Order: sequence, then C-alpha cells, then structure tokens
Amino acid sequence: GQNIDQPTEMTATEGAIVQINCTYQTSGFNGLFWYQQHAGEAPTFLSYNVLDGLEEKGRFSSFLSRSKGYSYLLLKELQMKDSASYLCAVRDSNYQLIWGAGTKLIIKP
Amino acid sequence: GAGVSQSPSNKVTEKGKDVELRCDPISGHTALYWYRQSLGQGLEFLIYFQGNSAPDKSGLPSDRFSAERTGGSVSTLTIQRTQQEDSAVYLCASSLVTGSEAFFGQGTRLTVV
Repeated sequence: GQNIDQPTEMTATEGAIVQINCTYQTSGFNGLFWYQQHAGEAPTFLSYNVLDGLEEKGRFSSFLSRSKGYSYLLLKELQMKDSASYLCAVRDSNYQLIWGAGTKLIIKP
Repeated sequence: GAGVSQSPSNKVTEKGKDVELRCDPISGHTALYWYRQSLGQGLEFLIYFQGNSAPDKSGLPSDRFSAERTGGSVSTLTIQRTQQEDSAVYLCASSLVTGSEAFFGQGTRLTVV
C-alpha cells in the first residue's frame, strides 16, 4: 500500500526554527509537495521537490532524499501566523497525489 | 475564474436527505479532485477527474456518493440519504494537468443533523 507519515502535532516557540518530517512509501515517485492549511481554510501550496536536495524560499525550505523516502519542511524565524497544519503530498507513478494526514504546528510566544 | 469556487460554503441537512455540492475549477485545468476532511484530520481522497478519461472513483466511501463533471469543467458531488458520519468539509481542487500543483477551493462544510 501507499503510505505518508508525518508527526501529528509539534510545538515551537516564536522566533525559533522547526523541522517537520515526512516519510513516504509510494508506488513510484514523481515529486513531493508541501502545503499549509490554516484552521478552517483550504490548503495552499508551499513548495515542490523532485530532485534530491534543499529548496529555499524565504523563511521556508524543503529538503528531499529520494533514496531514503524522506522529506522535511524547515521553518525559520517562526511567527505566530505560522500556526497551521502542514501537509505532505507525494505524486506517485500514476501522477496521483497521495496525501499525508498533516502536522499541526502550534507556535507559542 | 480566478480560483476554485465551491458552493454552498455551508450546508446543514437532515439525515436521510440528498445533497449536491458544486465545484467550479480554474478555467483550463484538466484535473479535478474531490476530498473530504473531518475536523483535525488529513485529506481523504474521494474521486478524481482527468480530461475525458473515466474518473477514478476508488475513494468514494459508499454507493451513496457519486460525482459528475460536465463539459470538462464544473463538477457536482452528490450524497444520497445523508448520514451523520458524512458531516465534514468537502474540498475540491483543480490542477492544470494530473499531478501538477493543486489549487483548492474554500470547501463546503456539510453538517448532517
């Protein structure tokens, strides 16, 4: 079967750095997406990785290791508005998106 | 349109009634997805349309659920004889092609009482 694993919940302090991990076992791999979802809102796109390595976009970075079936989302200089759920999704060999259950990130002052 | 549009935004219905949820994807997007999200949970895949191909219905939880996509654009998700466990937010997403970045609508919050 296909499986995406993420921690259910994480807590971090305003101004700090947090790393949200995602491991996957899928039927093939054609890219990995990270989405942000604030409570009561629709998910919005954050990042996309298809090759190994780190992609940096402002305060957010996403890393991929295809050989390990592993990705992480790194958030720096955390702000209260970063409190949200972060969803990992993998595009499989059929180009279908397989979604993780999401990681709820709680930011404390 | 500028984004994915879903209607209604909220729907309260009595158990046993049928409901129709509508999704207007971004113009030109060939792929359209329906997901269900219960409170605090991840996305549960329901059904997927790609162009004129037969839809992937593998995620539909029961035969009470069905969906159509007319003219390759607007989609309607129908739930017959609603049950309380159908209460959730129903999200629609579209993408330019299969597996490209998905853009989500604001969802329809369905409450079955």
